[in-house]
Amino acid sequence: AQSVTQLDSQVPVFEEAPVELRCNYSSSVSVYLFWYVQYPNQGLQLLLKYLSGSTLVKGINGFEAEFNKSQTSFHLRKPSVHISDTAEYFCAVSDKLGGNNFNKFYFGSGTKLNVKP
Amino acid sequence: DTEVTQTPKHLVMGMTNKKSLKCEQHMGHRAMYWYKQKAKKPPELMFVYSYEKLSINESVPSRFSPECPNSSLLNLHLHALQPEDSALYLCASSPPIPGELFFGEGSRLTVL
Repeated sequence: AQSVTQLDSQVPVFEEAPVELRCNYSSSVSVYLFWYVQYPNQGLQLLLKYLSGSTLVKGINGFEAEFNKSQTSFHLRKPSVHISDTAEYFCAVSDKLGGNNFNKFYFGSGTKLNVKP
Repeated sequence: DTEVTQTPKHLVMGMTNKKSLKCEQHMGHRAMYWYKQKAKKPPELMFVYSYEKLSINESVPSRFSPECPNSSLLNLHLHALQPEDSALYLCASSPPIPGELFFGEGSRLTVL
């Protein structure tokens, strides 16, 4: 089974400042990597995903992430945050269960991004 | 249509009640999931259905009973719940590997 570590439970940042949310996962081959955002009392929304190819992935709302296989990391970045980015962010990893037709997803514990004016 | 629809959005029930949560998707996904999420925690997998068959049950108590009547619908039947079962219940679906999870807005359950 995979494990996903989000070391920062909370990240306070001022509006228009850059931010990086860290995510590390346990080593494995053929992992797929995702970042989700959750606003209060809502479901999770996909920000971006890495499946294969270029290690720099761009997502919605100006977010991007870089897959680093040697460091088993998939950190999320945004060059300039807005108040509206205040939310909980979850990193997730999936691998293929042998012989099945679906992914099993492993979630990190989440990082609360708090953007202050 | 890229939506997963969950009803009801809010549910309050007593410990002796029987209720159901419903989930629907029309994206043609053949994998559907139930997650439980407590406040300030990540989603916790409960069940996975693949091609309408239960594929994963993460040792969930029998007071939670899932059902997948067809490829678009997923139900979660609730009976004799405990107050600690109060949580946000999220339904999700996914396309074939390596697709991502598509989540519904969730059903907020309160057990009195």
